[in-house]
Order: sequence, then structure tokens, then C-alpha cells
Amino acid sequence: DVKVTQSSRYLVKRTGEKVFLECVQDMDHENMFWYRQDPGLGLRLIYFSYDVKMKEKGDIPEGYSVSREKKERFSLILESASTNQTSMYLCASFGGDERTEAFFGQGTRLTVV
Amino acid sequence: LAKTTQPISMDSYEGQEVNITCSHNNIATNDYITWYQQFPSQGPRFIIQGYKTKVTNEVASLFIPADRKSSTLSLPRVSLSDTAVYYCLVDPSEAAGNKLTFGGGTRVLVKP
Repeated sequence: DVKVTQSSRYLVKRTGEKVFLECVQDMDHENMFWYRQDPGLGLRLIYFSYDVKMKEKGDIPEGYSVSREKKERFSLILESASTNQTSMYLCASFGGDERTEAFFGQGTRLTVV
Repeated sequence: LAKTTQPISMDSYEGQEVNITCSHNNIATNDYITWYQQFPSQGPRFIIQGYKTKVTNEVASLFIPADRKSSTLSLPRVSLSDTAVYYCLVDPSEAAGNKLTFGGGTRVLVKP
């Protein structure tokens, strides 16, 4: 019954490292999203993609990039991790029809030390 | 894109009904209203969606007035396990670029 899978549940990385967060969905959805969630700040959209090789900046794209080489996979990249990127990262998948729901992964809790 | 406004937090007691109202004054004709529930350390999950009037499922009811500028999520007879953050979302149409943006949500605390 798994629909959206994030590659890691917990991750600890060092400052300056290049970090890849992977997300895979099995629903053939066109739209995929990356959010970060910090206490008191809700879900903030980092990047989203509406098709293979297409990407759009969300509300807080600085310090991040993304890759969508295949429809089912959407990767979030931290080119040079910093301590202020310590957060919970959530991936979501959405069919695009306004009457459908979005499905979320279980989240990756990233700590940058 | 329609922006939503909802209370930051609400407290309740077991067995009570909880009503959370969300304002979305700029909702577009094609937009649906969707509510998600999020437990700590988990991703949000869908609970209910509607376009107008009233929708009910096994978890909640959703009331939408005729002007659709607000909606109210109703959780009947809450239990401790309903403690969570509830997000109101106005679903984007393809014309809006399918940008799913969540607001801050409403933190509901159910007390014994």
C-alpha cells in the first residue's frame, strides 16, 4: 500500500557535504513536491515539479536544487549543507486533478552538524 | 492563488465536537477545498474534500457556505488520538500551476 517513499527516515550530515534526499512514488503522478517543516513554521514549499525534467521554485528554494529525471522519482539536493538546513523534509505526490488528494512520504529528519 | 487563514491552535476535551474554520476569500471557481491531518513525525494525510454545501465521511464533516469564502471542518466526539495539526488547503487547478501551498495549520489538542 506504499505510495510515496523517501529514501531515509533519519540522516546526519556534516556542514559542507552534498546531500541527496530521494523520493519515489508509485501512482504515476505528474506533480511532486518537496517541503521542509520546522517547529512553528508549518509546511514550506521548497521546489515542485509538474513533469519530467521540469521544476519550479517554491517559497524557499535558496540553498536547494532538485532533479526529476524519471516521472516516479524526485530528488532534493543540498549542494553544501549548512546547519540552518537541519529540518524535517517531506516529499509529496499529486495527480493534478483538483479533485484528487496529495500523498506524502514519511519524512526525512535531517541533522546537519 | 487562494490564500487560507485558520486559527493557530484549539483545545478541546474528549467526546466534544471540534470545529475549525478556514477562510479562503480568493477561492477560484474550479478550486476544491481539502483538509489534511498531520500527526507528529509523520507526513500529512488527506481527511476530507468538498466543493460546496456539506460533505461527510467516516472521519469528519466539511461545511462550505454558498459563497465558498470559508469552510468549517467538524470533528465529532474527538478522542485523544485526534490531537494533530489540521491544514486547510485550496487545491490548485492546472491553470494555477498545481502549486500546493500549505498554511500554518491549526494545532488541535484534545485533553482527557
